[in-house]
Amino acid sequence: QQQVKQSPQSLIVQKGGISIINCAYENTAFDYFPWYQQFPGKGPALLIAIRPDVSEKKEGRFTISFNKSAKQFSLHIMDSQPGDSATYFCASRGSSYKLIFGSGTRLLVRP
Amino acid sequence: DTAVSQTPKYLVTQMGNDKSIKCEQNLGHDTMYWYKQDSKKFLKIMFSYNNKELIINETVPNRFSPKSPDKAHLNLHINSLELGDSAVYFCASSQWGESTDTQYFGPGTRLTVL
Repeated sequence: QQQVKQSPQSLIVQKGGISIINCAYENTAFDYFPWYQQFPGKGPALLIAIRPDVSEKKEGRFTISFNKSAKQFSLHIMDSQPGDSATYFCASRGSSYKLIFGSGTRLLVRP
Repeated sequence: DTAVSQTPKYLVTQMGNDKSIKCEQNLGHDTMYWYKQDSKKFLKIMFSYNNKELIINETVPNRFSPKSPDKAHLNLHINSLELGDSAVYFCASSQWGESTDTQYFGPGTRLTVL
């Protein structure tokens, strides 16, 4: 069964620190790896995404690192802010453009 | 100017009832999805329609029936509701074939079955 494994389940970081969330996938046919951010009571929203032909993508304070050989990718949030407190989901895209989501990481950034 | 909207936002009902959730997108996308998010926040796709054609149909009880009257609308009808159906249901849309395939999610419908 296609799976995307995400860790940690929850994360507490001090303001200004670095938040790191990791994901691992199984299917080498996956071709697109987005990260979604979800605030309480809201729907998930795309944060940043990467394709497997690059090893890193940076957008502002958010960076995806991608390791194709290890089938792993991670989200790094630099200078974490209390406003970043949310649940983060990694995902991988398979056939029929189906997104398979990780189990989510609840991030709390303390002031 | 909401991109993906769902109605109702909250739905409380008794076991055994039949209910529907409606979704509309004004992004001009040709693909729409239904996701279920359980109490542990796990997000799982249920169905996907492309140009009104069903393309993803996950292992979902046949009490759940999606209907797409046109590309901008995707409704979800649930028969004989069970306690385990309690969850947040999200509709999403995207444009098929684009390399980035960003899916835009609605605000969710919180279904509570008593």
